[in-house]
Amino acid sequence: AQKVTQAQTEISVVEKEDVTLDCVYETRDTTYYLFWYKQPPSGELVFLIRRNSFDEQNEISGRYSWNFQKSTSSFNFTITASQVVDSAVYFCALSEAPNSGYALNFGKGTSLLVTP
Amino acid sequence: GAGVSQSPSNKVTEKGKDVELRCDPISGHTALYWYRQSLGQGLEFLIYFQGNSAPDKSGLPSDRFSAERTGGSVSTLTIQRTQQEDSAVYLCASSLDSILNTEAFFGQGTRLTVV
Repeated sequence: AQKVTQAQTEISVVEKEDVTLDCVYETRDTTYYLFWYKQPPSGELVFLIRRNSFDEQNEISGRYSWNFQKSTSSFNFTITASQVVDSAVYFCALSEAPNSGYALNFGKGTSLLVTP
Repeated sequence: GAGVSQSPSNKVTEKGKDVELRCDPISGHTALYWYRQSLGQGLEFLIYFQGNSAPDKSGLPSDRFSAERTGGSVSTLTIQRTQQEDSAVYLCASSLDSILNTEAFFGQGTRLTVV
């Protein structure tokens, strides 16, 4: 069963628009971690944020912000005033299993295209 | 270099041949992970090493896949008798200490094409 669901396969926006990427996760553990990674066309996965299950505070980093809501098992990612350089595939991931070294369980990704 | 290094960056092989993919993690990182990225399956976890041990091999898709890590550093992923469905990008990641769940850094991957 898919533990991380990114319902939006592709999103296209015009530069300067705000865009929110949705992520819904499923776990029975009380201790877990959530992540967002960016994969630009070059292919390398770039870490954006890690959040543990005990910290529901929203976080803002420049134009990026994250909304973690345990009540709805969601960890959504918003880019404010999008730029062309934000075009990439964005992955949400869940980490919950100590036996696998907390290996990341990725969603299918959302491909974001920002046009001028 | 400072990052995770994978080689080769691209590999084309004939069906039935064996291939070895290499990963050089960031120096000092004890945890190492292999993932596979394909169009149909997305990003799949394959195997995890803590030091030279692999406590979790559950993600390996078949017994044709094996991996080892020596000296707590370099890891090789071996695929025997390659099949076309093995075509994918194989990604390696390392982190300082998996138990503390520190950030994982990814390499640029090896694109494997089985013809």
